[in-house]
Amino acid sequence: GAVVSQHPSWVICKSGTSVKIECRSLDFQATTMFWYRQFPKQSLMLMATSNEGSKATYEQGVEKDKFLINHASLTLSTLTVTSAHPEDSSFYICSAPTPAYEQYFGPGTRLTVT
Amino acid sequence: GDSVTQMEGPVTLSEEAFLTINCTYTATGYPSLFWYVQYPGEGLQLLLKATKADDKGSNKGFEATYRKETTSFHLEKGSVQVSDSAVYFCALSGARDNYGQNFVFGPGTRLSVLP
Repeated sequence: GAVVSQHPSWVICKSGTSVKIECRSLDFQATTMFWYRQFPKQSLMLMATSNEGSKATYEQGVEKDKFLINHASLTLSTLTVTSAHPEDSSFYICSAPTPAYEQYFGPGTRLTVT
Repeated sequence: GDSVTQMEGPVTLSEEAFLTINCTYTATGYPSLFWYVQYPGEGLQLLLKATKADDKGSNKGFEATYRKETTSFHLEKGSVQVSDSAVYFCALSGARDNYGQNFVFGPGTRLSVLP
């Protein structure tokens, strides 16, 4: 089946620094990708929709200047957490729909901000 | 807006017990319904899906039937194993937009299976 990868799988950074998370569709092209955030023992919350060749669409309450999204190619979307703070610590998951409209999720990236 | 409700967890069962995790939804139109499973420290994996009323999704011994009349998509398995221990998410995707812009997840139900 389709595969979506994320890199890194986990990252620890200091408060005030920026962290970039990559999401790749390995065997299909995705003009749209989605970024979710998951707090411990909670469900996924959609943060934004990443669109290849255009600006990302952010959900209400998500700071677009803090969570920068770039859909660089048909197989790559990146999420950059700028000036990270401890409250940004979370599990970030991306997903991409295949041409058959099936959503595949990446394995997630655990971010810890100290 | 669209929403998904799941039974509160955690659910603890003995190996070979019968499993039911209830899921109901509220949506406009005719959504597709999904069950995803998340093992500890991992991302979500699609377990099964159903795209229209009365469809039954099945995989790895798990089953769920799309019941439009009761707006439900309950997950069942006849005999659980320790390896089934995970968090299970019920989700829907609006029929109008299968890219998932209204891909809504339930809160998740944590299942623990004891040997």
